[in-house]
Amino acid sequence: DQQVKQNSPSLSVQEGRISILNCDYTNSMFDYFLWYKKYPAEGPTFLISISSIKDKNEDGRFTVFLNKSAKHLSLHIVPSQPGDSAVYFCAASATSGGSNYKLTFGKGTLLTVNP
Amino acid sequence: GAVVSQHPSWVICKSGTSVKIECRSLDFQATTMFWYRQFPKQSLMLMATSNEGSKATYEQGVEKDKFLINHASLTLSTLTVTSAHPEDSSFYICSARELAWRNEQFFGPGTRLTVL
Repeated sequence: DQQVKQNSPSLSVQEGRISILNCDYTNSMFDYFLWYKKYPAEGPTFLISISSIKDKNEDGRFTVFLNKSAKHLSLHIVPSQPGDSAVYFCAASATSGGSNYKLTFGKGTLLTVNP
Repeated sequence: GAVVSQHPSWVICKSGTSVKIECRSLDFQATTMFWYRQFPKQSLMLMATSNEGSKATYEQGVEKDKFLINHASLTLSTLTVTSAHPEDSSFYICSARELAWRNEQFFGPGTRLTVL
């Protein structure tokens, strides 16, 4: 039972355009969401996060949107750059109830930004 | 940002041997460390959570006698794969968080284990 789903295994965009990566979750206890970027044979790098009390968080070229009623979040990258090419993982955490802040990851989306 | 290191970065061993992987937080005190495993083209699967000075909490389906975790100090956790078999070959990644942080975890670079 996959609680965090990234239904698009890959996405290809042109340099300068917007990249939109999507993520859906099923566990209503999740209240904190994170996006990580990962290169092959390396550990994930934290990008941006959002708490369930917000619907948008922005950091430079990265913006995360959260739609709680739809249990959906998305990561927007504008403008996309070739160096953004990597696998992007969506992760969720339930911060209450003694969860120990453990993260549940989606399967990732491979983003390719073409020059 | 916080830095987490892992050693070794890759290891090849014979079936039946044990392998120890170290995870270190270099510039912060990691009250909690997490161990993940990633198979090719799959997600990161949490194996266990360890709090400094306590026994690790293992996820369902993870054999605690096979994957021994020690978190004896605030900067070091070790994962020992005992009696490794080819099916244990995977990419093992640790992450760490400090008590004051709410949710952010910082990840190590990972260790590629190949069991022959």
